[in-house]
Formats: sequence, C-alpha cells, structure tokens
Amino acid sequence: KQEVTQIPAALSVPEGENLVLNCSFTDSAIYNLQWFRQDPGKGLTSLLLIQSSQREQTSGRLNASLDKSSGRSTLYIAASQPGDSATYLCAARDDKIIFGKGTRLHILP
Amino acid sequence: DGGITQSPKYLFRKEGQNVTLSCEQNLNHDAMYWYRQDPGQGLRLIYYSQIVNDFQKGDIAEGYSVSREKKESFPLTVTSAQKNPTAFYLCASSPRSGGNQPQHFGDGTRLSIL
Repeated sequence: KQEVTQIPAALSVPEGENLVLNCSFTDSAIYNLQWFRQDPGKGLTSLLLIQSSQREQTSGRLNASLDKSSGRSTLYIAASQPGDSATYLCAARDDKIIFGKGTRLHILP
Repeated sequence: DGGITQSPKYLFRKEGQNVTLSCEQNLNHDAMYWYRQDPGQGLRLIYYSQIVNDFQKGDIAEGYSVSREKKESFPLTVTSAQKNPTAFYLCASSPRSGGNQPQHFGDGTRLSIL
C-alpha cells in the first residue's frame, strides 16, 4: 500500500532564502508525482508534475526532482517571497493518487 | 475561463439530514474526483468517475453517494450514514483517469454539523 510522507510538517524561513521541501513514497511503481500549493480555505493549485520517466521539472523559481529508486521527491523554491507562504502537498500516482499531509510554509518578511 | 466550480462554499447539516455538494467543470474533462480533507491531513479519495454513467468507490466511500449523469457534473451526497461529515470537500477533474494527466481542483466546500 502506497504511503506518502512529507517532512517537515511546518517550516519558517526568512524572505530571500532558498529552501527544499521533501516528499517520500513507499512504492516506486508510480506513473507520476505532482506538487500542489494550497492557500488557507482554498482548493489545490498544481505547481509541477513529474512523469515517472523524468528526473525533474522547472517552473520559474520552482524546481521539482524525482528519484524513483529511493522513493523521494524534492521541491526547491529559490529566492523565497512572502507570497510563497502556503501549504505544499505532494501526491504520488499509481492506480490511485495518494497525497501527503503537506508542509506548511511561512516566509518571514 | 475554464475551471471547476464547487457550491456552496459553506454548508451546514443537521443530524439525520442528507446534503448534496455540487461540482461543475467546463474543462471537457472525462474524469472527476471527490476528496475529503481533515485539518492537518492530506486528501482522501471518496469517489471517482472516469466516464459518464460510471463511477467507482475510493478509500472512504461509506456514507457518501455520487452520480455522473452529465460529463460536466459530479454531485456528492453526504448521507446521514456518514457519522463524521465535518470536513473540507474538494472536487477535481483530469482529462482522463490514469496515466500522466494532472488534476485540476475546485475551491472546495466546507461542511459543518449544526
């Protein structure tokens, strides 16, 4: 049974710093891994989707990597801004889509 | 603009009452999904539908029912059999189920018990 874990559960960093969010999954037989952003009381916004054959995807200041063999994905945020404050969720897709519990990120101005 | 519309934003249920949450999409997506999110938790799949007139149970389907009579619509009914319905409900869609299709989400409905 696939399990997805995100560490840390919460993170506070000063504005301008680069940071890494971690996601691990137990079953490496996945189709893809997707990173989402969730603002309080809102739905999920898709940030990046990495297919199983890919190693990384980039969008602006965001870079997501995927290492299937070790069951890990990271989301790298460069030059963090207060507007980046949100909860970040990763989801691993095999026959189902399994979500982690998220990392609550707070960027300190 | 294309997207997913969930209504209402807030919903209150009395004990023993059924309530229906609406989800409409104009993205021409085949697959639609319902998730439940509890505080500090990830999303758990309730039901999903890959095509009109067909749907499958997710991990926590007990106490819920769905229909998929139209491609654009996938309403979720929370029945009185669901003993702990207070949660944030999210609807999603994708071009089709499986494979490498990203999901798009609505803004959610927050259900509370009176």
